Amino acid sequence: GESVGLHLPTLSVQEGDNSIINCAYSNSASDYFIWYKQESGKGPQFIIDIRSNMDKRQGQRVTVLLNKTVKHLSLQIAATQPGDSAVYFCAEKVGQGGKLIFGQGTELSVKP
Amino acid sequence: GAVVSQHPSRVICKSGTSVKIECRSLDFQATTMFWYRQFPKQSLMLMATSNEGSKATYEQGVEKDKFLINHASLTLSTLTVTSAHPEDSSFYICSAMGGGENQETQYFGPGTRLLVL
Repeated sequence: GESVGLHLPTLSVQEGDNSIINCAYSNSASDYFIWYKQESGKGPQFIIDIRSNMDKRQGQRVTVLLNKTVKHLSLQIAATQPGDSAVYFCAEKVGQGGKLIFGQGTELSVKP
Repeated sequence: GAVVSQHPSRVICKSGTSVKIECRSLDFQATTMFWYRQFPKQSLMLMATSNEGSKATYEQGVEKDKFLINHASLTLSTLTVTSAHPEDSSFYICSAMGGGENQETQYFGPGTRLLVL
């Protein structure tokens, strides 16, 4: 079936380095994607989104890249900080009702 | 803006009892609310989509008589786990859509940890 998946379940980076979290999606008709950050015991927190008519979108220290040709989504975090340690989920909007399909998640660990 | 709250944050109940979880959009009117459950170290699984004034749409495999959803207003949706059993123990998270710059973005509540003994 259609799904959104991640290449790496865990990622460990040094504080100050850049982090890249990847996500593959299979629904070529999807037109809206979101990255969420989830800290332990909390609900997901919106980070950044992108529509399918864009290739790149930047936020504060974060950049999302969308490659529709290979159905790939990535989240780049610049100058990663200990507070960035969390699980990151990509999500893909399916249909017109706003329903999201979530990827499996990547746990980001930042070493001081 | 786009703040979503849940109550309670944590609940422990005996097997066979029912538990109600509230989800509120605090600073916007939510056109749609969603209910998810999440097991440890796993992703979010959508249970149902809730629109104000209409019946919820449940995902395949989710029992509508087990997980009752009421969406009484544009700022409140409730999930009632009826006759809870230990296998219902999980992290339940709601989200609301309709706030922020993009009406399609889902904003999540802090979650409710349910433990059924």
